Amino acid sequence: GQNIDQPTEMTATEGAIVQINCTYQTSGFNGLFWYQQHAGEAPTFLSYNVLDGLEEKGRFSSFLSRSKGYSYLLLKELQMKDSASYLCAVRDSNYQLIWGAGTKLIIKP
Amino acid sequence: IAGITQAPTSQILAAGRRMTLRCTQDMRHNAMYWYRQDLGLGLRLIHYSNTAGTTGKGEVPDGYSVSRANTDDFPLTLASAVPSQTSVYFCASSDGGSSGADTQYFGPGTRLTVL
Repeated sequence: GQNIDQPTEMTATEGAIVQINCTYQTSGFNGLFWYQQHAGEAPTFLSYNVLDGLEEKGRFSSFLSRSKGYSYLLLKELQMKDSASYLCAVRDSNYQLIWGAGTKLIIKP
Repeated sequence: IAGITQAPTSQILAAGRRMTLRCTQDMRHNAMYWYRQDLGLGLRLIHYSNTAGTTGKGEVPDGYSVSRANTDDFPLTLASAVPSQTSVYFCASSDGGSSGADTQYFGPGTRLTVL
């Protein structure tokens, strides 16, 4: 079967750095996505990786290793507004997105 | 530009009733999707449409139907609601291209409770 694993919850301090990991086992791979979802709101797109390596976008970076079935989202200079759930999703061989359950990130002052 | 709108925002429904959730996008995207999101689970695809006039089944299609008469609208119908269909429903759309990210953009969601 297809599986996306992420930690259920993480806590970090304002101003610090946090890394959210995602491991996947899917039938085929056509890209990996990270989305942010604030409580009660819709998911919003953060990043897309299809090749191995690091993609940097401001305070957020996303890394992919296809051989290891592994990705992480790195958030730097954490702000209170970064408190949200972070969703990892993989596009499989049928070109459908398979979603992880999300990681709830709690930022403390 | 509104992006994607969904209606209603929330609804409480008696079991056995018929309900249609509406979704409209103004981005001229070819592909549209319906997901449900339940606590502790990832988003699960119910139905999708790659282009107007075509639809396909996702991971959890039972009890739901969709239609895609035009590019902008993609309604989701529950023919006879059951309590297990209590969930938050998200509509999404994407360009539908076979290359590149083909990022999905989400509507604000409909919170449905079936009693």
